[in-house]
Amino acid sequence: AQSVTQLDSQVPVFEEAPVELRCNYSSSVSVYLFWYVQYPNQGLQLLLKYLSGSTLVESINGFEAEFNKSQTSFHLRKPSVHISDTAEYFCAVSGVGAQKLVFGQGTRLTINP
Amino acid sequence: GAVVSQHPSWVICKSGTSVKIECRSLDFQATTMFWYRQFPKQSLMLMATSNEGSKATYEQGVEKDKFLINHASLTLSTLTVTSAHPEDSSFYICSAPGTGPKETQYFGPGTRLLVL
Repeated sequence: AQSVTQLDSQVPVFEEAPVELRCNYSSSVSVYLFWYVQYPNQGLQLLLKYLSGSTLVESINGFEAEFNKSQTSFHLRKPSVHISDTAEYFCAVSGVGAQKLVFGQGTRLTINP
Repeated sequence: GAVVSQHPSWVICKSGTSVKIECRSLDFQATTMFWYRQFPKQSLMLMATSNEGSKATYEQGVEKDKFLINHASLTLSTLTVTSAHPEDSSFYICSAPGTGPKETQYFGPGTRLLVL
């Protein structure tokens, strides 16, 4: 079984500042890792994923996350945030080849002008 | 990318009534779909796995007689909340895995249920 912990329930930052959303997981088997974003009143959208290969994965809108196996972490970062990044961000894990996702508690990212 | 739809997006019902929520994969087939529940300001909790042509698999603590799941075809799964009560009010989300190896989940927009 897997579990995910998102250490921060809310993260307020100023526009154009860098941000890091933390995610730690536990699993007895190898994992796939995901970050999903949920904009207000919308469904979840995949932001980025780690399946295998390079431990640094990037999204098309400037976010990146690095899989750190020794620290069992998959923190999400962006060097300069925009107002439009305001949303709820969920880290999720699944076993390799499995389809069931286990989600973290979510982190609400609020961007202040 | 693959699209998953849900209907309705909003539903308000009286306590004791049943509510059906549909989840459709619009441009791909899904032999498996997943149903999640999200309470306000909380994470998504997997309720059950819907399997086309066979019984759904429920997570521990989820009442199978209360949350009826029917995977009627390769593009449609339904969740029926029977004898709904106010504590069933929540945001219900379905997802379906895309086709191909290492495909990820595609999520529906969710259905907000309010039981009065």
